[in-house]
Amino acid sequence: SAVISQKPSRDICQRGTSLTIQCQVDSQVTMMFWYRQQPGQSLTLIATANQGSEATYESGFVIDKFPISRPNLTFSTLTVSNMSPEDSSIYLCSVAAGGAAKQPQHFGDGTRLSIL
Amino acid sequence: GENVEQHPSTLSVQEGDSAVIKCTYSDSASNYFPWYKQELGKRPQLIIDIRSNVGEKKDQRIAVTLNKTAKHFSLHITETQPEDSAVYFCAADEAGKSTFGDGTTLTVKP
Repeated sequence: SAVISQKPSRDICQRGTSLTIQCQVDSQVTMMFWYRQQPGQSLTLIATANQGSEATYESGFVIDKFPISRPNLTFSTLTVSNMSPEDSSIYLCSVAAGGAAKQPQHFGDGTRLSIL
Repeated sequence: GENVEQHPSTLSVQEGDSAVIKCTYSDSASNYFPWYKQELGKRPQLIIDIRSNVGEKKDQRIAVTLNKTAKHFSLHITETQPEDSAVYFCAADEAGKSTFGDGTTLTVKP
């Protein structure tokens, strides 16, 4: 399976600032996703990062708050903008080979974000 | 959109006993059903998956069953060991996008 490097692994940020999280994969993958996992909770999909086009956001998530880039098939970034304490969470990227084969998703180690 | 319900939310068993976790889904278009294990502070890791054209799949002590008519699938762990203690998530996937259940915290008592 793909090796996924996510950074930073954790950060403590001030209210009102923004942080960009990077996700690097060691091979080209069709699909990349960004999830949020609040403490003790399940995984909630933020958006699908589309290579060469705008990300597809899930209900409740907007581009102004969570801008996403995916310049190629191995790299994506998620920015958490104008942060508030409610944004304190673990942010995970995942990748899947996708397509008709229905490959499983593999997750990065996550970024643990705390907002003061 | 898809809705996945998972039960129970917590499960405690004695070492050596079996554990069963059940999930239901709402969207009949979902056709791929993975299960993930997440240990404290770690990433979710795929442990087994099943596709819609299969009713059951086994991998050593772990098995998954799928009933597409009833829209439910289950994870079965036999001969549980303390290292099986973790949070388990089911998911239903359609076109590469997964919706996750709320998770089951499994505790295996030695």
